[in-house]
Order: sequence, then structure tokens, then C-alpha cells
Amino acid sequence: DGGITQSPKYLFRKEGQNVTLSCEQNLNHDAMYWYRQDPGQGLRLIYYSQIVNDFQKGDIAEGYSVSREKKESFPLTVTSAQKNPTAFYLCASTGHPQETQYFGPGTRLLVL
Amino acid sequence: GQQVMQIPQYQHVQEGEDFTTYCNSSTTLSNIQWYKQRPGGHPVFLIQLVKSGEVKKQKRLTFQFGEAKKNSSLHITATQTTDVGTYFCACTSGTYKYIFGTGTRLKVLA
Repeated sequence: DGGITQSPKYLFRKEGQNVTLSCEQNLNHDAMYWYRQDPGQGLRLIYYSQIVNDFQKGDIAEGYSVSREKKESFPLTVTSAQKNPTAFYLCASTGHPQETQYFGPGTRLLVL
Repeated sequence: GQQVMQIPQYQHVQEGEDFTTYCNSSTTLSNIQWYKQRPGGHPVFLIQLVKSGEVKKQKRLTFQFGEAKKNSSLHITATQTTDVGTYFCACTSGTYKYIFGTGTRLKVLA
């Protein structure tokens, strides 16, 4: 069953804590993405990666970090520097430039 | 940077009424994609338009790409409760970067 998996579905973060959101795909896609969605809002690009060991900042990268050590995996770390991290985080991938983006089910991050 | 604006932000319709959402850009787009996100779900790809003036249909959904490739629309005929959700347009900026519109949230009243 091919697709994108994200875990966990819900995540709670304490003040000053770093948390890592997982994203795995078995679609053999080169490019992967992280978006943030706030209630009633659109999608804002955090980071994207076109190829293994390479990634670029999106529009709201401050307070976030990523790695792309494997083609299948693109984890996102929400650092303590991100002062307002409560949001819905969506991971996506695409196989070819300008083609369909496939999204994972998302992770909801809440700050305690 | 490149932006795409969508209107309206919200739309409530009675079941059976038509619905249209518009996507506008100040720059010429190479393509436009449309996605649907059900409440609590993730965006799902609907269609991609590439050619100037292109019109594509999927059952009750009609998608158009403007002649100048700066705007696009999604029209739903005779809405049903299953059409509820947020509809996003998206374009590519550069090779792999995507820019999403602000979305139109559709509510259908039975």
C-alpha cells in the first residue's frame, strides 16, 4: 500500500522542548515538503527537499530544522525557537517537477 | 514573492446550488493545480491545468484556466453535502516549489 505516513497523529510539546515529526514515503519520490496549516488558513511552506542531502528554506523556516539522509524520510524538528508552534503539519512529496503533490495525513502539534 | 489569491474565503450554499471559487495571480502561471481538503483531513489532488484557456470537467466539477494564464476557477454544479471542504489552488514557483492559495471553505446546507 503506497503512500506517505506521518507520525504521530497528535503531539504535545512543553515549553522549551524540541520535538520531531516523522514523514516517510514509499512512492520513490525525489522531492519532499513540509507545510504548516493554521486553523482556517492555507498552507505555508516550511522546508522542501529536491534530493537526498539537500533542502531549501520555505517561507516560514525560522524555528524549524529538517534533514534528508534517506530518499524515503524527511523529518521535521520544531525547535524551542518556534514561539507559536501549535498548528497542523502536513508532509508532501512529488515525483516530478510541477506534478501532483501527495500529502500525508498530518500531525497536530499542541503546546502545553 | 509569487502569490495566488483566492476568493471567496468562505461560501455557504444550499444543497443543489452552484458554487464557484476563483484563483488570481499577478504573474503568468506555468500551470495551476486544484486540491480539496475535507474537514480534519489532508489536501487531495483534483486536477492540473497547463494550457491557456483550458477547460476540464470531472462530473459536476468544471475547471478553467484563463487565457492569460493568470487566473483559474473551479465551478461545482448542484452541490452535494459530499462537496464540503476547503478548495485550494496551487501553482509552481521554480522547478519544485509550490505556492498555495488561501483556500475557499465550502459549507453545504442540506
